[in-house]
Amino acid sequence: KQEVTQIPAALSVPEGENLVLNCSFTDSAIYNLQWFRQDPGKGLTSLLLIQSSQREQTSGRLNASLDKSSGRSTLYIAASQPGDSATYLCAVRNDYKLSFGAGTTVTVRA
Amino acid sequence: DAGVIQSPRHEVTEMGQEVTLRCKPISGHNSLFWYRQTMMRGLELLIYFNNNVPIDDSGMPEDRFSAKMPNASFSTLKIQPSEPRDSAVYFCASSFQGSNEQYFGPGTRLTVT
Repeated sequence: KQEVTQIPAALSVPEGENLVLNCSFTDSAIYNLQWFRQDPGKGLTSLLLIQSSQREQTSGRLNASLDKSSGRSTLYIAASQPGDSATYLCAVRNDYKLSFGAGTTVTVRA
Repeated sequence: DAGVIQSPRHEVTEMGQEVTLRCKPISGHNSLFWYRQTMMRGLELLIYFNNNVPIDDSGMPEDRFSAKMPNASFSTLKIQPSEPRDSAVYFCASSFQGSNEQYFGPGTRLTVT
């Protein structure tokens, strides 16, 4: 069974600081890895999807890396803003199944 | 595109009542997923449909839960009878087979008193 762990569980940073969110998984036979954002009381918004053959994916201030052999992914958010405050979820896909981590709750202080 | 549509957005019901949650996937998507999110267990897959056929229902907690997909544009998740421990946010997601990416609906927040 795939186990997904996210560290840290919570993070508070001043505006402008770079954010580093970590995700690890136990079964490296994955199809892809997806990072989501969830605002309180809201649904999930897909941020980045990295295929198993890729090493990284970038979108604006977001960059996600994938090291499949070691079972790790890192989400970098550059120059954080208060609007980046949310919970970030990592999800790993094996076949059709997405296994989610518990999330990292980020607070960016103005 | 309207995205994945779920209704109702909020549901409050009493223990023992039947609850029906609804989902309309993105047009053209042929895979549909029901998830449940709780503080204790996070996000869990309940059931997966492909081309309207249930492929994996191993995540359905017990016989009180049932799901149907009568056509490509509609699915229901039913709980009968409901219990307080069923209180959670239920998400529906859809994807196009081979496309990999799942798109989530806004969720239904269920409270069973």
